[in-house]
Amino acid sequence: AQKVTQAQTEISVVEKEDVTLDCVYETRDTTYYLFWYKQPPSGELVFLIRRNSFDEQNEISGRYSWNFQKSTSSFNFTITASQVVDSAVYFCASGGAVGGTSYGKLTFGQGTILTVHP
Amino acid sequence: DAGVIQSPRHEVTEMGQEVTLRCKPISGHDYLFWYRQTMMRGLELLIYFNNNVPIDDSGMPEDRFSAKMPNASFSTLKIQPSEPRDSAVYFCASSRQGVTEAFFGQGTRLTVV
Repeated sequence: AQKVTQAQTEISVVEKEDVTLDCVYETRDTTYYLFWYKQPPSGELVFLIRRNSFDEQNEISGRYSWNFQKSTSSFNFTITASQVVDSAVYFCASGGAVGGTSYGKLTFGQGTILTVHP
Repeated sequence: DAGVIQSPRHEVTEMGQEVTLRCKPISGHDYLFWYRQTMMRGLELLIYFNNNVPIDDSGMPEDRFSAKMPNASFSTLKIQPSEPRDSAVYFCASSRQGVTEAFFGQGTRLTVV
């Protein structure tokens, strides 16, 4: 069984501030994937980033970056220079792997509500 | 390329009525998932299919819920009879082996009064 914990229920920042969303996961799988999804006020779930368990290299993609640390079972997500349009609920999720690839069966955290004020 | 398409977007029904939610996955995807989102329980997996076959329905809350996938391009989630506690947003998602993430539809907001 997998479990994902997002301890931050709500975060409020002012535009242009950097913001980090925390995620801690639990899994017994040796191979797994971690994801961040965004749910804007319109309600859809938008895939943002993914990481697999055998690659701890952290990356930056535009204003998004993530910090994956297996030693602490954490997969934190940072938005640099936040914008009002970043206001949304952000979900961290984990998924098991079959044959080395994930297939979409996800366990979600409870979500973090991010509000970016102008 | 069209994404996952769900219908209807909103459904309001009276307690005891049958409700059918529909989903068209992304073409070529061989996994289909039904998730439910509520304030109390968050996002939870109800059931998923692989190649149109139900693989795991352990998340289906009770026998009032049923799901089918008659072909690779269509799935339904049925609630009969519906109850007010079934009110939630129901998401359909699809993925395929070799693609690590699932892609979600826009959801169906169900209100049972």
